[in-house]
Amino acid sequence: ETGVTQTPRHLVMGMTNKKSLKCEQHLGHNAMYWYKQSAKKPLELMFVYSLEERVENNSVPSRFSPECPNSSHLFLHLHTLQPEDSALYLCASSQDDARGQETQYFGPGTRLLVL
Amino acid sequence: GQNIDQPTEMTATEGAIVQINCTYQTSGFNGLFWYQQHAGEAPTFLSYNVLDGLEEKGRFSSFLSRSKGYSYLLLKELQMKDSASYLCAVAYSGAGSYQLTFGKGTKLSVIP
Repeated sequence: ETGVTQTPRHLVMGMTNKKSLKCEQHLGHNAMYWYKQSAKKPLELMFVYSLEERVENNSVPSRFSPECPNSSHLFLHLHTLQPEDSALYLCASSQDDARGQETQYFGPGTRLLVL
Repeated sequence: GQNIDQPTEMTATEGAIVQINCTYQTSGFNGLFWYQQHAGEAPTFLSYNVLDGLEEKGRFSSFLSRSKGYSYLLLKELQMKDSASYLCAVAYSGAGSYQLTFGKGTKLSVIP
């Protein structure tokens, strides 16, 4: 595996379900990110982790819970989501979190549908 | 807050040149990125500008004017595979906070 991988690629869940999205980067990077991409809206930065510590949380609802057990893996735990949470969730990584000057490499995303 | 504007859609002919503009308003500016995103795929990095001027990379060039809050992406010798969305993203920092804000993207259609 190379680059940034995400699983699952597609997910359909009910509002009462609990699921997790997984991201893995094989680039030796130190920073990882979660983004949400909704139709007709710009990419929204959700969380930033640098060396496994959360450095940014952009007022994301608590029904989204990130976890970064090591610098290669990032999870997004989902519970009691709403239909408006349906979107493409993208993971990205960069060499370092150098105040935004780092190129980010994106995974293919998880297409989430909440019913 | 941060404000990034770019055209929603553009159409250009194969072999031609197209310029995609991006204007922004931000404080603590830390650079501007252009990403390409094909439908159903992840964004991929195209360019990064932090100083004024033109950066050329093959068929793609990116320009930045910090005083005007303006950037453009120039695509030359357009190919059908260049049909994609082009995302302008501004990095900024302040008070120990890091942010990267994306524009809504410009959907470019290349026609024969």
